[in-house]
Amino acid sequence: GQSLEQPSEVTAVEGAIVQINCTYQTSGFYGLSWYQQHDGGAPTFLSYNALDGLEETGRFSSFLSRSDSYGYLLLQELQMKDSASYFCAVRGGYNKLIFGAGTRLAVHP
Amino acid sequence: DSGVTQTPKHLITATGQRVTLRCSPRSGDLSVYWYQQSLDQGLQFLIQYYNGEERAKGNILERFSAQQFPDLHSELNLSSLELGDSALYFCASSVSPGTENTEAFFGQGTRLTVV
Repeated sequence: GQSLEQPSEVTAVEGAIVQINCTYQTSGFYGLSWYQQHDGGAPTFLSYNALDGLEETGRFSSFLSRSDSYGYLLLQELQMKDSASYFCAVRGGYNKLIFGAGTRLAVHP
Repeated sequence: DSGVTQTPKHLITATGQRVTLRCSPRSGDLSVYWYQQSLDQGLQFLIQYYNGEERAKGNILERFSAQQFPDLHSELNLSSLELGDSALYFCASSVSPGTENTEAFFGQGTRLTVV
């Protein structure tokens, strides 16, 4: 089976940097994805790591260590609009996508 | 707009009833996933179809069933509804396995309220 752990809540101020960690246990691991979901909205894709290392996309970066079964999402220059829930998700065989419970990020002025 | 269409957007029904949720995936996507999200909870994986065949099952109740039709749209059937089934049900689609494109595109969800 699959299980993912991530913090339930994170709070930060505008302009700051925040890191959301994700540890996972799974079989048939292909990669780790991150999704953002605003209240009442649909999840939207942020990033995907198949190999170890850092992937950067604008203000957001994602990291993966396959040997540690660990990844993180790094959000820089935080803006109020970044207040949302962030989910890590494990991609397994047949493109199966299992999500963690999500981390609610609150950005304050 | 993700290209994934879910209908209806809202559904209110009584306990014991049966409902059908519909999902049309993005053009060209063969994989369809169904997720349940209860209030302030994560996305619980229910079931996945690929090109008409069931490929993976999560914690889907026996009262729930799904299928994917030849035109690739999918339906999630929920029966003998209970108050605890009230949730947001998301459908997502992605390209076929084995490609580099790993993004799943989500519909706007169907909010089910059981009263």
